[in-house]
Amino acid sequence: EVQLVQSGAEVKKPGESLKISCKGSGYSFTSYWIGWVRQMPGKGLEWMGIIYPGDSDTRYSPSFQGQVTISADKSISTAYLQWSSLKASDTAMYYCARQGLLWSGWLPFDYWGQGTLVTVSS
Amino acid sequence: EIVLTQSPGTLSLSPGERATLSCRASQSVSSSYLAWYQQKPGQAPRLLIYGASSRATGIPDRFSGSGSGTDFTLTISRLEPEDFAVYYCQQYGSSPEFGQGTKVEIK
Repeated sequence: EVQLVQSGAEVKKPGESLKISCKGSGYSFTSYWIGWVRQMPGKGLEWMGIIYPGDSDTRYSPSFQGQVTISADKSISTAYLQWSSLKASDTAMYYCARQGLLWSGWLPFDYWGQGTLVTVSS
Repeated sequence: EIVLTQSPGTLSLSPGERATLSCRASQSVSSSYLAWYQQKPGQAPRLLIYGASSRATGIPDRFSGSGSGTDFTLTISRLEPEDFAVYYCQQYGSSPEFGQGTKVEIK
């Protein structure tokens, strides 16, 4: 069974750093991309970026470039999303999701993590 | 950047009624890289439709997708109580984008 299991909720202060995780199981972790999606309170879904754990190829949405860092450790089938200096506006639910890329083209986000709630407040 | 605009923002319907949700793209979506997701409160999104019209595994056949180019539609033929939720369209090419969502609520 394919599963993406995310790390638990975090409460941080502005200016602090944070790294949240997404562990994949039940499939070949290095053969699929892992994307990150933000959902601010009461708002819609925003695509942040994506990483291919096989070779760490990473792509960012222009809206999030320079604001976050996406990485992966294929040895433990885990992808990460990190901030060096959090802001109150980073308060949101963050989801990871799996995306395939075949010779014929992209596949949709077929499996999702349960989400990690990040709260940034002084 | 492709901008996806969903309409209406909210759809108020009764169980058993037909729901028609629209998603319009600012430019043509290549190879019909258009998906629909359902999100219920407190849950992660769930893939319903991909390739504009293909149902994902386990999705009931009352859900159907259609369209191409810049205009896409999600139709729920007869609303069941569990279908009241927020629905998002997404283009999932090399730089994915989501629409702002349509809430289907009980009338």
